[in-house]
Amino acid sequence: GQQLNQSPQSMFIQEGEDVSMNCTSSSIFNTWLWYKQDPGEGPVLLIALYKAGELTSNGRLTAQFGITRKDSFLNISASIPSDVGIYFCAGQKTSYDKVIFGPGTSLSVIP
Amino acid sequence: SAVISQKPSRDICQRGTSLTIQCQVDSQVTMMFWYRQQPGQSLTLIATANQGSEATYESGFVIDKFPISRPNLTFSTLTVSNMSPEDSSIYLCSARDRGSGANVLTFGAGSRLTVL
Repeated sequence: GQQLNQSPQSMFIQEGEDVSMNCTSSSIFNTWLWYKQDPGEGPVLLIALYKAGELTSNGRLTAQFGITRKDSFLNISASIPSDVGIYFCAGQKTSYDKVIFGPGTSLSVIP
Repeated sequence: SAVISQKPSRDICQRGTSLTIQCQVDSQVTMMFWYRQQPGQSLTLIATANQGSEATYESGFVIDKFPISRPNLTFSTLTVSNMSPEDSSIYLCSARDRGSGANVLTFGAGSRLTVL
């Protein structure tokens, strides 16, 4: 079945550092989504990508839709303590398909 | 975007019992979904809650174990039946919401179930 892989699985960084994480798939997706989940909360959408090659920013976050349609990455610049959480990538083949979630990247920020 | 409320937010249940989780959306949405998130794991889709008809279940999930209702466009329930410790998970309700001109998923805060 469809499967997404995320790397790294977890990361510990110093406050102020930049962060990069990525997501790969064996299948082509036409939509890539990045979510963040805080403890005790549901995932919250950070960025949605709809076109191959698209680069989209949301504040300190930047995400790109890979040209092959099989990958995406998320960058966080100048990390702060509230960036701590689990970041999930998700892919969708069409607007009416189910959304498949990756295993997540756990981010810890050391003040 | 839509705001999704779930209750209970958490519960401790005895083996063999059943629990119904409620999900309320503050606006009418076309599609609602139920996900399971086992401890330390990602989200797995249980089923799509269809308004006025039977839910559509994903492989590995069956109606007898996870009956779902969706009486209208803003409300759905998920029942976890005959629970065992393996059912200890976070159960998340989500709705397809229009954001940035296209459909994205919005989630509730989840219902954390612990089965003893």
